[in-house]
Amino acid sequence: KAGVTQTPRYLIKTRGQQVTLSCSPISGHRSVSWYQQTPGQGLQFLFEYFSETQRNKGNFPGRFSGRQFSNSRSEMNVSTLELGDSALYLCASSLGGTGGNEQFFGPGTRLTVL
Amino acid sequence: AQSVTQPDIHITVSEGASLELRCNYSYGATPYLFWYVQSPGQGLQLLLKYFSGDTLVQGIKGFEAEFKRSQSSFNLRKPSVHWSDAAEYFCAVAGYNNNDMRFGAGTRLTVKP
Repeated sequence: KAGVTQTPRYLIKTRGQQVTLSCSPISGHRSVSWYQQTPGQGLQFLFEYFSETQRNKGNFPGRFSGRQFSNSRSEMNVSTLELGDSALYLCASSLGGTGGNEQFFGPGTRLTVL
Repeated sequence: AQSVTQPDIHITVSEGASLELRCNYSYGATPYLFWYVQSPGQGLQLLLKYFSGDTLVQGIKGFEAEFKRSQSSFNLRKPSVHWSDAAEYFCAVAGYNNNDMRFGAGTRLTVKP
């Protein structure tokens, strides 16, 4: 079974631009979660989508948004990029349902904002 | 909301020595607890998880962890460390009704030859 895939793997943008990251979950998984990983803040939960609905949201500004499609693929968008948005963005998928479901992580998208 | 504390930012052990990584959690109900490992440039890989039942759980790569409710701890152990275990280790907690997983700050493990 194919794992979680994220595209692109690397991205360089400038301040003020916007960016869209994509995540394809494991087949059959209905939940997709997004995390931001930085050296200073560690791994922080952004949001979770289940069956095309945002079910949980972390403490990030409205510039960070996401969506999920009917095939469970998810996209994350960051508008008006700031230098502090430079991070590794990780996507994880799970069967969904409860917090006890194991989350499988993708390799991440490394975003650099100049 | 749930939270996790990993008190040790960096640990160095000699190859063949035993290892214990500490994790303390805060959660009002019975938590789901996880240990993940991340190698440089990679995503996270699940080592083991605890939901209920036996408080000593076995994971992959020879790792085990013990859930101690009275201490709110979920420490990760390995009896003999291999050079390939050098990586960053994350403890995480999730609640039953949500996938809002909270991670600790991570512990970076260095293995000396």
